[in-house]
Amino acid sequence: AQSVTQPDIHITVSEGASLELRCNYSYGATPYLFWYVQSPGQGLQLLLKYFSGDTLVQGIKGFEAEFKRSQSSFNLRKPSVHWSDAAEYFCAVGPLGGSARQLTFGSGTQLTVLP
Amino acid sequence: AAGVIQSPRHLIKEKRETATLKCYPIPRHDTVYWYQQGPGQDPQFLISFYEKMQSDKGSIPDRFSAQQFSDYHSELNMSSLELGDSALYFCASSLGAGGLKYFGPGTRLTVL
Repeated sequence: AQSVTQPDIHITVSEGASLELRCNYSYGATPYLFWYVQSPGQGLQLLLKYFSGDTLVQGIKGFEAEFKRSQSSFNLRKPSVHWSDAAEYFCAVGPLGGSARQLTFGSGTQLTVLP
Repeated sequence: AAGVIQSPRHLIKEKRETATLKCYPIPRHDTVYWYQQGPGQDPQFLISFYEKMQSDKGSIPDRFSAQQFSDYHSELNMSSLELGDSALYFCASSLGAGGLKYFGPGTRLTVL
């Protein structure tokens, strides 16, 4: 069964500092990996995705993520955090094609940005 | 660009009442998914439809039912509401089964 683990429930960083949010997945085949961001009272917004090719993917808002198959990880990074990045971040895994159509989400990491 | 529309955005019901949530996918998207996100929880997949047919089923209670109509919009019907049904209900749409999922803003359901 597929699963996603986000080990950090809450992370606090200062504005301008670098950020790394961890995501580990368990999946029996080639995964389709996503990072979504959810601001308070808002829907989920797709930041970036990976399914093949270059293991370092660029997303919106200056975010990037690196797929490491050997570590079953897909960590999200940003070199310099802005106050508007404060939100909850969800990592998700889904099948690459195939018949199943649901995403499995991690439990989320709440990001607080200090001025 | 048009996004996924969900209505209503907020809904308050009492126990044992019924509720209907609506989802209007992005134009030309043929696949709709429903997720439930409880307070402090991660989103849980409920059910999905492709070309008006149920395609996958997740942790959807028997009290809930859903369908996708000819114009591809979908409705989630919830009966005999319980306090534990209070959650944010997301709809997502995609073009085809493997397409990127675009999420709506969600409907916040509060059961009193």
